[in-house]
Order: sequence, then C-alpha cells, then structure tokens
Amino acid sequence: DAGITQSPRHKVTETGTPVTLRCHQTENHRYMYWYRQDPGHGLRLIHYSYGVKDTDKGEVSDGYSVSRSKTEDFLLTLESATSSQTSVYFCAISSASLGTGEKLFFGSGTQLSVL
Amino acid sequence: QQQVKQSPQSLIVQKGGISIINCAYENTAFDYFPWYQQFPGKGPALLIAIRPDVSEKKEGRFTISFNKSAKQFSLHIMDSQPGDSATYFCAASKDRGSTLGRLYFGRGTQLTVWP
Repeated sequence: DAGITQSPRHKVTETGTPVTLRCHQTENHRYMYWYRQDPGHGLRLIHYSYGVKDTDKGEVSDGYSVSRSKTEDFLLTLESATSSQTSVYFCAISSASLGTGEKLFFGSGTQLSVL
Repeated sequence: QQQVKQSPQSLIVQKGGISIINCAYENTAFDYFPWYQQFPGKGPALLIAIRPDVSEKKEGRFTISFNKSAKQFSLHIMDSQPGDSATYFCAASKDRGSTLGRLYFGRGTQLTVWP
C-alpha cells in the first residue's frame, strides 16, 4: 500500500475514552489525509495536512483532532469516543495537491469499534 | 450536501457482461474525475481518471464516458470478470493548481460479478 502503515489495524474501545490512530508513511509525501468510510456514505474527509504542523478540517471534523509533527506521521485523535465514530478509518497520502489531479494512495485502514 | 452523486448503490452482473456505474455532479468548477476501486479489507486504489477536455478514456476493459453538458460521467467495465467484484467510487476535484485541492467522493457502488 505505497509505503503507508496504519496502526492499530483493529481497535475496540469504550464510549468516552480517548483514542489515537497513527498513520506512518515512507514516501516523504507532503500531503496526508484521514478519511472515514461508512456504509451508504462512502469516503468522507475528516482532516488533512499539507505540511508539518499545517492541518485543516474536512467535512466531518467534529470530535476529531489531528497532529503532524513529522513529515512521515499523521495522528488522528478522538478526544472522547462515541458510538457514532465506529467506522473504518483510512489514511491517504499524495505528493502534490489533489487539485492538480494527483493520485491519492490509501493505507489498509483501521477498523474502530466504540462500544 | 453530496457533491458527487453515484448510482447504483449495488450492481450484480454476469461474467462477460457490461457493468455501468453512473455519477453526477453540480459544481462546474470540478476539473478532474477519477474512479477508485476497493477490494474487501483494502484501501481504495486509483483505477482510471479523466479530465473534462475529453469525452472518453479507455484503459483495457475500463472506460470512462464524460458528458460535460449533462454534468455526468460513468464507468463502463466490459467483459466483466469475477475478479472485478469490488466497491467502486467516483470522485471529483477542483482548484487546479491550488495547494489545497481535495477530492469529493461518491458513496460507492458494490459490484458483484457472478461466474
């Protein structure tokens, strides 16, 4: 999966607990993204980063925060997990802005269940 | 508001048949239209893409047809094979040349090809 590692691959947690998902890339790509995938909703952008310490919100950012202290790592944090955040989370990377038609490479996903 | 509308949600085709998935958009600023293919347990991967300056693009058994005036585009899979069984996402992006371009995904079509 284009040098993208997501961890953990599976996680079960309880409502109200904090959760951090990690995305690590070895491609030295500038842009990194967090998506969630839910049946009937497709892929929805949570947050993205266009450089170290440069991040912005996507369309479903409420309840999530991100950090990028190094080019290779992009962390997604659920401050207080809720059942509505049960989903499959995908990290993606690109070497240039997607507005230029740049290809998006996805990781294998993290299945998160919030009980 | 769904930026890209995709149909059908699911599709069953016999081996050797033609699979057709349709997408529509409203924003005339969109200028790049990729299709992503996702197999179970994997992240989506770019399959084929088109820009609005052409009406059709073909790569092997996969063809994108683009109708700019109708603001619609579709994926045709000729001679469909069981190995094509996957979820397909259409997408669109704008802001060519912008540092903050992003992709808007349809909700996906689950294709099953019966042997």
